[in-house]
Order: sequence, then structure tokens, then C-alpha cells
Amino acid sequence: GAGVSQSPSNKVTEKGKDVELRCDPISGHTALYWYRQSLGQGLEFLIYFQGNSAPDKSGLPSDRFSAERTGGSVSTLTIQRTQQEDSAVYLCASSSRVSGANVLTFGAGSRLTVL
Amino acid sequence: AQSVTQLDSQVPVFEEAPVELRCNYSSSVSVYLFWYVQYPNQGLQLLLKYLSGSTLVKGINGFEAEFNKSQTSFHLRKPSVHISDTAEYFCAVSRNQAGTALIFGKGTTLSVSS
Repeated sequence: GAGVSQSPSNKVTEKGKDVELRCDPISGHTALYWYRQSLGQGLEFLIYFQGNSAPDKSGLPSDRFSAERTGGSVSTLTIQRTQQEDSAVYLCASSSRVSGANVLTFGAGSRLTVL
Repeated sequence: AQSVTQLDSQVPVFEEAPVELRCNYSSSVSVYLFWYVQYPNQGLQLLLKYLSGSTLVKGINGFEAEFNKSQTSFHLRKPSVHISDTAEYFCAVSRNQAGTALIFGKGTTLSVSS
């Protein structure tokens, strides 16, 4: 597509429920990132997929968080047993490589509110 | 692992004044450096990047940044700001190596008033 598409744009859930957030990257982009943005914390790196390589999961805050990328395209971020501190905007970005560097294009984000 | 420190969380300035948003990074290897901007109620977009070559890079909307390897800094500057520059600015770094993640600082909120 023309840009990075994320769904849902807003999600309100109850503490303890599982949620899935979806990201549809720009066609042809080989790299896909997930970040979490919360007030005062900036952009917190969660996970990074690059082509067929093993993902860099070093930013996932706990084992309640997981992500997968199917067929090198769409990605799903899953948060199990949600907690109130999981409330944030979850941003997805995909990238093309410019002179060896990944230049990111961001989606509009999925705002998660855990009650 | 690399990290980024944005030294000011908030920078208030008057319209037409110059501004500098500070960014320092730490990395044991060569890096790529970026500034992204997030305008109110909008998504993040690339402002400028340093990959190699000239240490002074120019971006959109009259912004520029200078890579200083000895001071491990990549400060963002604009000689005269506008109200429309009010936004949150993020500095980011990745290693100069294939397959590495992009790490962001915590952001600096630039507030321009008349």
C-alpha cells in the first residue's frame, strides 16, 4: 500500500485480556519495527524484523509480549494478560534501505488503553 | 549496545529565535544518525539523516544537524523558528551495520510562541 497501515487505531480493553495489534507495512519493505510510545518515555524499541533473519526481540518488556511476521509482510503484536502499564501508543514502522541504512516510515499507531 | 540521550525534555522559544536541540549518543562502532519530528496529532516523519560524508546535514523545513564524532553528538539547529515548528523531536541512532535496530531518544518538545 501507499503507507504503513495499523489496526485498530484505538483499543480499550480490560486488565487481564489479550490484545492483538496489526501492522501492514509498505509493499517491498524488508524491515519492520514495533515501538511503544508513552508520555515521557519517548519511543521504546520493542522488536525488529529484517527479511528472513531471526528477529531482534531485545526490546520486548516481558514474556507477555510477542510478535510475528507472516510471509515477510503483515505483522501482529500480541500482548497477553494486559496490565494498566501496557497502556500506550504502539507504533509500527517499515523501512527501505538507503545507502545501507534503514530509513523508517511510521504508521499512525494503535492507541491501547487498559482499564 | 547503542543509546541516545536527548539532553532537554522541553525547549520553549519565541518565534524567529534560533534553536538548538541537543542529542548525544553512545556506541562502540560507527553509527547512522537521524532526527524525526512528530507534529501535534500526527505521525513521525524523517527530518534529516547522517549516513556518511559531510558532517553537516540539511533537512526539511530549514533544519540542519552536525555530526561530531569526537563529542558523540548530533545536535539539531534552526536559525529562526516558526510557530509551525512546534512539535516533538526525536534523535535516533543505529549501528553502521546491516540488520541492526534503530534506537530513539526520549524526545524534546519544542514549543514556539509569538
